[in-house]
Amino acid sequence: AQSVSQHNHHVILSEAASLELGCNYSYGGTVNLFWYVQYPGQHLQLLLKYFSGDPLVKGIKGFEAEFIKSKFSFNLRKPSVQWSDTAEYFCAVIRSYNTDKLIFGTGTRLQVFP
Amino acid sequence: EADIYQTPRYLVIGTGKKITLECSQTMGHDKMYWYQQDPGMELHLIHYSYGVNSTEKGDLSSESTVSRIRTEHFPLTLESARPSHTSQYLCASSGVGSGETQYFGPGTRLLVL
Repeated sequence: AQSVSQHNHHVILSEAASLELGCNYSYGGTVNLFWYVQYPGQHLQLLLKYFSGDPLVKGIKGFEAEFIKSKFSFNLRKPSVQWSDTAEYFCAVIRSYNTDKLIFGTGTRLQVFP
Repeated sequence: EADIYQTPRYLVIGTGKKITLECSQTMGHDKMYWYQQDPGMELHLIHYSYGVNSTEKGDLSSESTVSRIRTEHFPLTLESARPSHTSQYLCASSGVGSGETQYFGPGTRLLVL
């Protein structure tokens, strides 16, 4: 079935470690890609998005993601995490022909210890 | 900063009660959405609306209903709540100025006893 996959369900890191969260999708054609973050007790916030152009996208709080079309991937990265990055991270996809349907991955829970 | 509001934030209610979850946005967005999210799981679209008097069912079947009488308001109603409705309900909106980016409200955590 067509889907959005986040293979890392739970990631535990120490502060200053580097982070990479995987996201793969299985839709053909043109897609728009998003990473959302949900901090404890807060609402879902947009971290970054890719519509077109430079496949390396920079978002808020030092996060970036790279769209690799040949791999159907949109991995999220941060070179040095902080305790405040502890949150749940969701990858999401909109297919160009159906722009109303935002399809989410299952999420990755990130815990950062000082 | 996106302005989308949901009330109540938390609701504990008994089986059989009728409940309405409120969602309002002040961004003038024409499209609005309701998602259901169980703990540790992905968000599933249950309802969406293109504009006033437009409502559609999403990918996940839901016993809830929605209405869109005003652009800024998109309430969700459960006529008779059951324990299986226990979940988190997230409202979102998108439209002119946001492209295809959806902005989310804080959610309503519903517990049906």
